[in-house]
Amino acid sequence: AQKVTQAQTEISVVEKEDVTLDCVYETRDTTYYLFWYKQPPSGELVFLIRRNSFDEQNEISGRYSWNFQKSTSSFNFTITASQVVDSAVYFCALSENFGNEKLTFGTGTRLTIIP
Amino acid sequence: DVKVTQSSRYLVKRTGEKVFLECVQDMDHENMFWYRQDPGLGLRLIYFSYDVKMKEKGDIPEGYSVSREKKERFSLILESASTNQTSMYLCASRTSGDIYEQYFGPGTRLTVT
Repeated sequence: AQKVTQAQTEISVVEKEDVTLDCVYETRDTTYYLFWYKQPPSGELVFLIRRNSFDEQNEISGRYSWNFQKSTSSFNFTITASQVVDSAVYFCALSENFGNEKLTFGTGTRLTIIP
Repeated sequence: DVKVTQSSRYLVKRTGEKVFLECVQDMDHENMFWYRQDPGLGLRLIYFSYDVKMKEKGDIPEGYSVSREKKERFSLILESASTNQTSMYLCASRTSGDIYEQYFGPGTRLTVT
C-alpha cells in the first residue's frame, strides 16, 4: 500500500530564512506521481507541483524548489527567502500508476513565518 | 480557472440528522472526490466518482454515501450524523486521462452535536 510521511508537524522560521519541508513516500509501483499542495488559512488547497516517477529533475519556480530523489524515496520542498504569505499547511501526496484515481496525502506540515 | 464550490462553509447538525454536503465544479471534469481532513491525519478519501452515477469507495466510506446525478455535482450524504463525523470536508475534481492535479473547493466545516 502507498504511504506518504511528513515527519515535520510544525515548523516556524523567521521571515527571509530558507526552509525545507520533507516528504518521504512508499510505493510498490514503478509508475507514480507526486504532488505538493498548499492550504492557506482560507482552507482551500492550492496545487503547487506535480512530478512523475520518471522525471527526477529538480524544479524551481520563483522562490519554490523541489528535490525529487528516487534513491531515498523523497520529494522535498524548499522555500527560499520565506515570506509571511508562505504561512500555511503544506501537503505532499502520492498517486500510484496510470488510471488509479486515488491520492494518498501525508499528514501535512504547518509552516509559520514569523515577521 | 477551475472553480469548485461547496454549499456551506460552516454547518452545525445534531446527532442522528441526515446531512447533505453539496459540491459543484464548472470545468466539466469527469472525476470528483470527497475527503475529510482531521488534525494529525491529513486528508482521507471517503468516496470518489469517475462518471455520472458511478462511485467508488475510498479509504473511509463507513457512515457515508454519495450521489452523482449530474456531471458537475457530487453530493456527500451522512445518513445519520454522529459526533465522530465532526470534521472538515473537502471536495475536489479533476479531468480524466493522465494523473493530473485535483482542484479543491473551500471546504465545509461540519460540527455534529
